[in-house]
This record gives sequence, C-alpha cells and structure tokens, in this order.
Amino acid sequence: DVKVTQSSRYLVKRTGEKVFLECVQDMDHENMFWYRQDPGLGLRLIYFSYDVKMKEKGDIPEGYSVSREKKERFSLILESASTNQTSMYLCASRQGGGSTEAFFGQGTRLTVV
Amino acid sequence: DAKTTQPNSMESNEEEPVHLPCNHSTISGTDYIHWYRQLPSQGPEYVIHGLTSNVNNRMASLAIAEDRKSSTLILHRATLRDAAVYYCILRDYNAGNMLTFGGGTRLMVKP
Repeated sequence: DVKVTQSSRYLVKRTGEKVFLECVQDMDHENMFWYRQDPGLGLRLIYFSYDVKMKEKGDIPEGYSVSREKKERFSLILESASTNQTSMYLCASRQGGGSTEAFFGQGTRLTVV
Repeated sequence: DAKTTQPNSMESNEEEPVHLPCNHSTISGTDYIHWYRQLPSQGPEYVIHGLTSNVNNRMASLAIAEDRKSSTLILHRATLRDAAVYYCILRDYNAGNMLTFGGGTRLMVKP
C-alpha cells in the first residue's frame, strides 16, 4: 500500500513557538504538497515542492516556510505560530504528469493557544 | 488551472444512484478531469480521472460531455459510507504540478 505519513495527528503549541510538521512518502514521488483546511474555506495550498530543495508558493504561503532536503520528506515550518494558524494541515504527494493521482496523509490538527 | 464549479451540497437516498455534476467551461485540450473525495476526519482520496472518454472503475464512473465543458461523477448505488465532500479538479497534462482544490460538493446519504 502506498503511504503518506504525517508525524502527528494532533498538536497543541503556544503562540510564538516554532512548529515543524513532518510528512514522509514511500512512493518516490517527485511532487509534495502542504495544504490547510478550514471550515467554509476548503483546501488551500500553502507550498509545494517538485524536487529536492525546490519549492513554489501556493495560495497562502505567508507565515510558513518549507524544507525538502530528501525526496521522501517534506516539512512545513511555522516560524512563529499564531492563533490564526490553528487548522487542519494535510500533506500530499504525486508523481509528475497531469494524469497521475495524488495521495494524502491523514492530516495534522494543529491548535495554537 | 482552469476553474470548476460544483453545487455546494447534494442529498441522496441509500442504494440509489447519485450524479454529481461539475462545470468546467474554460477547460483546455490538455486538461485531465480528476475527482477526489474526502470522508469525515480523513485526507482526500482519489476517485477517478479522465480526459475525453467516459471512465469506469470499482468506485465510480465518470461521464464527460462531448464538448468537455462539464462532467458527472456517478456513484451507482450510494451507501452511507459514500457521504463525503467530492472535489472536481482539472489538471493540465503539460504545465506545472500544482493541485488546486475548489469548494467541492458535500454529499449526504440518507438511510
């Protein structure tokens, strides 16, 4: 079974903390994505990476950064967590090409207090 | 990516077929039509995709209009486990790797 694994299902962090959300995929996929999902706003793309050390901003990159040092791992970093970053975070991966499917992790529910 | 338009919500009775529509009037010739669904408390999962011809798999069927400006995801016999948000997405075969989701359709299945 193909797998995208997010390191935590639930996280509670304090305002101002630096937060790392980790995602690992075992399918040797080129592309990896980070989304956040909020009620009424759907899935919004934060960042994606199309290769090791390569990244592109999505729709809402402000307040976030990413790291992709190895092909299988894509990290989302909240440099200084704020309460408006409380959300469900979803990681996905897919091979290149328009016809390939994406695989999602189970999500990390982050609460910033 | 070209835009898609879906109804916000739909209702269905269990064991009946469900037709989920998607409009994509600005679709280009190299756009694939993808469908994903998201069950409660889970990440989205792939359902089906197509380019021009209708497609069938174990989960659903995808009917694509002849002009490709709309498509319909067909669940042949809805079950309670099919209650989810269904997303219709266009993916350009040639350009870029982004995967952008719209609002989707929330499908409610009544017993």
